[in-house]
Amino acid sequence: AQTVTQSQPEMSVQEAETVTLSCTYDTSENNYYLFWYKQPPSRQMILVIRQEAYKQQNATENRFSVNFQKAAKSFSLKISDSQLGDTAMYFCAFRPIQGAQKLVFGQGTRLTINP
Amino acid sequence: NAGVTQTPKFQVLKTGQSMTLQCAQDMNHEYMSWYRQDPGMGLRLIHYSVGAGITDQGEVPNGYNVSRSTTEDFPLRLLSAAPSQTSVYFCASSTGSGYGYTFGSGTRLTVV
Repeated sequence: AQTVTQSQPEMSVQEAETVTLSCTYDTSENNYYLFWYKQPPSRQMILVIRQEAYKQQNATENRFSVNFQKAAKSFSLKISDSQLGDTAMYFCAFRPIQGAQKLVFGQGTRLTINP
Repeated sequence: NAGVTQTPKFQVLKTGQSMTLQCAQDMNHEYMSWYRQDPGMGLRLIHYSVGAGITDQGEVPNGYNVSRSTTEDFPLRLLSAAPSQTSVYFCASSTGSGYGYTFGSGTRLTVV
């Protein structure tokens, strides 16, 4: 069974700073997808970024980028030029390509951007 | 395009009562799932479906029942509510192409 671990329950940075959220996972699969979801106080789950395990190039979406280290099973999220609207819970998630393709989540990191 | 629609948004139940959380999607997604979210535990999978007529248990299925008679609908039934089922519940759907799941807006359930 796959597991996802986020070791930072809470983080806090100043506006405009860069912050990195950590995520590690455990799987015996070779091909899979990794995701970061954002959950603001509205409770809505918002997909931030997606990485395909068979692609070596790290995914980027505007101010959001990932550092994907397949051998180390590590998938960190970097937020550049952080904004107040980035304040939210962030969840790392794993989805295998084969079988039922269930999405498995980490415990989450609560990120606060201070003015 | 409504996406994933969950109802109700809030619910208070008494211990022992039963209820159904509704979930509908209009994107023709074959994969659907129910999660519960509790502080410090992330989102845990309750039940999932890979297509109409096919369901299976996730990580925390006890006390819940599901069915999938159509592609669009995936209701979650609480058989006899317990205080331990106080949580926020999310329904989600996806295609099989490796894209992320689309989530509903959640239901906050309190069992007293």
